[in-house]
Amino acid sequence: QKEVEQNSGPLSVPEGAIASLNCTYSDRGSQSFFWYRQYSGKSPELIMFIYSNGDKEDGRFTAQLNKASQYVSLLIRDSQPSDSATYLCAVKNDYKLSFGAGTTVTVRA
Amino acid sequence: GAVVSQHPSWVICKSGTSVKIECRSLDFQATTMFWYRQFPKQSLMLMATSNEGSKATYEQGVEKDKFLINHASLTLSTLTVTSAHPEDSSFYICSAREARGSRWMGSPLHFGNGTRLTVT
Repeated sequence: QKEVEQNSGPLSVPEGAIASLNCTYSDRGSQSFFWYRQYSGKSPELIMFIYSNGDKEDGRFTAQLNKASQYVSLLIRDSQPSDSATYLCAVKNDYKLSFGAGTTVTVRA
Repeated sequence: GAVVSQHPSWVICKSGTSVKIECRSLDFQATTMFWYRQFPKQSLMLMATSNEGSKATYEQGVEKDKFLINHASLTLSTLTVTSAHPEDSSFYICSAREARGSRWMGSPLHFGNGTRLTVT
């Protein structure tokens, strides 16, 4: 079982819609959870992190964490073409950050 | 904000030669740096953890004699791919976290811009 699992997509949404990304993790002792955005050929850039159960909002992005279900999600509201990228879920265990394979999102204008 | 500089951004080398990649933290001290490798359409795979002043910790399956890591100062870590082969062609990315102590629950990693290595 992979440590961090994501649907690979692609996820295609129309401009202005909500994109919903899901991530599950295997280690119940995981401490912190991160969402990164990666454009093709570029390094990941941090969107947001969450470490408490519940929702965390930052602009058009909302991260949701449910530790009992070992599930973390990212919602992108009012999706823009510039949001088209691969979104990586990352989970911190001790010193290490493990990444999912990423979900590719395409926002249709 | 914190910046991690990685150099070179791309390199082409011949099979059998060695390539050195540098990772610098520009405005913070990094006791720990991480080296990742990413193949096309795959996620980042942690190769090794570089600790300032001590030996690097390699992930399972990563050859420490092939991927030499040196972390001689709080702002610089280097990865040397020795005797490179075409299968080593990949996107190598370093990352660093600030020296805030052992608990960094909410402190994200800062990524370099990556180095695309092509071995011919």
